[in-house]
Amino acid sequence: EAGVAQSPRYKIIEKRQSVAFWCNPISGHATLYWYQQILGQGPKLLIQFQNNGVVDDSQLPKDRFSAERLKGVDSTLKIQPAKLEDSAVYLCASSLEVVDVELFFGSGTQLSVL
Amino acid sequence: AQKVTQAQTEISVVEKEDVTLDCVYETRDTTYYLFWYKQPPSGELVFLIRRNSFDEQNEISGRYSWNFQKSTSSFNFTITASQVVDSAVYFCALIMDTGRRALTFGSGTRLQVQP
Repeated sequence: EAGVAQSPRYKIIEKRQSVAFWCNPISGHATLYWYQQILGQGPKLLIQFQNNGVVDDSQLPKDRFSAERLKGVDSTLKIQPAKLEDSAVYLCASSLEVVDVELFFGSGTQLSVL
Repeated sequence: AQKVTQAQTEISVVEKEDVTLDCVYETRDTTYYLFWYKQPPSGELVFLIRRNSFDEQNEISGRYSWNFQKSTSSFNFTITASQVVDSAVYFCALIMDTGRRALTFGSGTRLQVQP
């Protein structure tokens, strides 16, 4: 069974530029999560989708971050414009249903903002 | 609100030593799930174990064992006879049964196993 796929693996941009990350969850998984992991910290939830609807985006900095999951399958997370403090690993995870406690994680996208 | 605390930022041991990673959690829910994940240098989070709040039985899996104590809100993880391949960052995490069903992570413990 294929796992959660993320791309790109690494991205380096300058501050004020835009960047987008892509995630393809495990086939059939209805729930998709984006986490931000700053160096030395645990992952922090940014947004949670159930199919193509948002379940929780309370910790998403909406002035610069946006995410979509238009067809209820893959998802993109965008930052526009990026700030230095956005340097982090962005992890995507999926689970079968929102009530399912087992999350499967991708390898993440490491973003460096210079 | 829920919270997970991993007070040990970094631990260094010599191969074959036993090591215990501490995890203390806070939640108002009576039903919740606790997890341990391993994050090797490659970055992917690897699931190790899940326990629900009604199951306080300790668990052993090979060299790994977990001690869940509701009375002290702790879910500690012990590696017996550590190996170099155990070097990684280990995260304890919590999901409540109600409300937001997303993992809340601790800050992680970096384990370095020296040969």
